[in-house]
Amino acid sequence: ETGVTQSPTHLIKTRGQQVTLRCSSQSGHNTVSWYQQALGQGPQFIFQYYREEENGRGNFPPRFSGLQFPNYSSELNVNALELDDSALYLCASSLIRGRGYNEQFFGPGTRLTVL
Amino acid sequence: AQTVTQSQPEMSVQEAETVTLSCTYDTSESDYYLFWYKQPPSRQMILVIRQEAYKQQNATENRFSVNFQKAAKSFSLKISDSQLGDAAMYFCAYRSETNYGGSQGNLIFGKGTKLSVKP
Repeated sequence: ETGVTQSPTHLIKTRGQQVTLRCSSQSGHNTVSWYQQALGQGPQFIFQYYREEENGRGNFPPRFSGLQFPNYSSELNVNALELDDSALYLCASSLIRGRGYNEQFFGPGTRLTVL
Repeated sequence: AQTVTQSQPEMSVQEAETVTLSCTYDTSESDYYLFWYKQPPSRQMILVIRQEAYKQQNATENRFSVNFQKAAKSFSLKISDSQLGDAAMYFCAYRSETNYGGSQGNLIFGKGTKLSVKP
């Protein structure tokens, strides 16, 4: 069973640029959640995709957007990068089969630095 | 809105000793889950232990156990027989059982406690 993978590992961008981060779900999972973890902080929920549609969003502006593909892999896109976007971006996949507990399995993250 | 507070930015323990990490949370809900996650320098978040709010019995996973006090909204993690590999950031997290806006599994994290283990 393949775990959650993310690419790239590290990324450096300049203010105003656009970036795309990628996440490959664990086999059999239908849901991907994205989190932003600023230095010295806990992760903050950005949004979740379930069966290719956005299924909930945290307090992040519209310049943070995403996609989920038929194979349940996902992208996080950030437009007009700001210095405060520098963070570790984590994705987590899970299998939603209705109400109740579903464990989220995290990837190793992408470290984004905005200069 | 739910919040999670970890008041200990750093903790230290001697190898083989026991350490307790503290967490408090605020919610008006009655059905929820609480978690402790470990994040080693490799950055990958690993689930350590989970507690369902409706269960009175404290969860245990090998050397890890929790003290869940629902009325006090307290959820501490006890690590027994600490090992060098336990050194990491530990995050307390909350998840509602209510389906807000169709989003399931939205975790709310505290700021974390950095645990050092001395040989």
